[in-house]
Amino acid sequence: TQLLEQSPQFLSIQEGENLTVYCNSSSVFSSLQWYRQEPGEGPVLLVTVVTGGEVKKLKRLTFQFGDARKDSSLHITAAQPGDTGLYLCAGLDNYGQNFVFGPGTRLSVLP
Amino acid sequence: SQTIHQWPATLVQPVGSPLSLECTVEGTSNPNLYWYRQAAGRGLQLLFYSVGIGQISSEVPQNLSASRPQDRQFILSSKKLLLSDSGFYLCAGMGISGANVLTFGAGSRLTVL
Repeated sequence: TQLLEQSPQFLSIQEGENLTVYCNSSSVFSSLQWYRQEPGEGPVLLVTVVTGGEVKKLKRLTFQFGDARKDSSLHITAAQPGDTGLYLCAGLDNYGQNFVFGPGTRLSVLP
Repeated sequence: SQTIHQWPATLVQPVGSPLSLECTVEGTSNPNLYWYRQAAGRGLQLLFYSVGIGQISSEVPQNLSASRPQDRQFILSSKKLLLSDSGFYLCAGMGISGANVLTFGAGSRLTVL
C-alpha cells in the first residue's frame, strides 16, 4: 500500500515569514500534486511535479520533487494571510487510476 | 466556472435515514470519478471510484454505496445512516482540467444526529 506522510501537521506563523512543508513516502510515485483547501470548499490544484529533481515556482510558492520521486516539498516565501489553508499532497498510484492523499498540513498565517 | 457540481451542499439527517448525494460533471466524457470523505479538515479517504457507467470499485467496507447511472453522474447512497457517516464528502473527476489531475466539487457537509 502506498502511503504519504506530511509534516508538520499544523503550522502557525506571522505574515512575512518563510515556511516549508514536506510530503514523504517510502514508495515511488510517477507524479505528485499539491492542493490547497479552504474551509468548506473542495481542494484546488496548485501544481503537479513529474520529473525527479524538478522544481516549479508559482509566484511565492516553490515546489520540489525529490530525485527518487518519493518526496516533495512546498516552500512559501513571505507568507500572507491569504495563504492560510490546508495543504494536501497527493500521488498517482502505480495503476494510474487512484490518488493517494497525505493527511495535510494546516497553515495559519497571522496578520 | 465550476465543472463538478455536488448537491446538496449541506445535509442534516437522523440516524437510520437514507442518504443520496449527487455529483454531475460538465465538459468531458468518460472521466474517472471519485467519492472521498474528509473528517475534521484532515486528509481525504477514498470511498469509491468509477471508470465508467455501472463500474464501481469500493475502497473500504462501509455503510455506503455508489452508483454511476450515466457517464457524467455519480451518486453516493446509504439505506440507513450511522452517526459515524458524518463528514465532508467530496466528488472528484480525473481528466477534466488536465490529464492525471483531480478536479473537485465544492463538497457536501453531512451531519447525522
